[in-house]
Amino acid sequence: DQQVKQNSPSLSVQEGRISILNCDYTNSMFDYFLWYKKYPAEGPTFLISISSIKDKNEDGRFTVFLNKSAKHLSLHIVPSQPGDSAVYFCAASADNFNKFYFGSGTKLNVKP
Amino acid sequence: DAGVIQSPRHEVTEMGQEVTLRCKPISGHNSLFWYRQTMMRGLELLIYFNNNVPIDDSGMPEDRFSAKMPNASFSTLKIQPSEPRDSAVYFCASTDSGRSNQPQHFGDGTRLSIL
Repeated sequence: DQQVKQNSPSLSVQEGRISILNCDYTNSMFDYFLWYKKYPAEGPTFLISISSIKDKNEDGRFTVFLNKSAKHLSLHIVPSQPGDSAVYFCAASADNFNKFYFGSGTKLNVKP
Repeated sequence: DAGVIQSPRHEVTEMGQEVTLRCKPISGHNSLFWYRQTMMRGLELLIYFNNNVPIDDSGMPEDRFSAKMPNASFSTLKIQPSEPRDSAVYFCASTDSGRSNQPQHFGDGTRLSIL
């Protein structure tokens, strides 16, 4: 049973527009959430995080929103750039040895 | 600072052979995780260690898989005997579990192909 789900395997967006990647989770004990970005032939790299005490965290072009009541997480990229084309994983933790549960990933393609 | 180092980057071997994947975590990190990435399941957690002790190996698919962490700077994931369905990318990640809410840092993975 997947506790973290990314229901969109892929997303295509025009350069300069907003990219919105979504993630749902089932475990109400999760209190820390991350987004990772992964390029081909590389490991996932940490992008942005949010604690459950917040509902928004912003870092440059990247903003993560958390809706605890809906158990929903989203990543907004504005404006999108071709270099953002990658697979994005969301992950959640209940603060147990920093063990994370990962979604299956969404492949973002930003078209020039 | 050096990141998580995995070796080899690529491994191609024949079915039935023993395969050993290696990982060196970031110095000072005390938790280490082994993942397998497949198209169907995304990133699956196989096993993780805290202070060199295996904490949860429930993700290890079969007895053919084993993992060890003999010291704080080295871990291995072994498959014996290997099968074609084991073909995947295997990632190692580490983190400092002494501090809460810390991301894991990943190596670049080992792409394993079993013929």
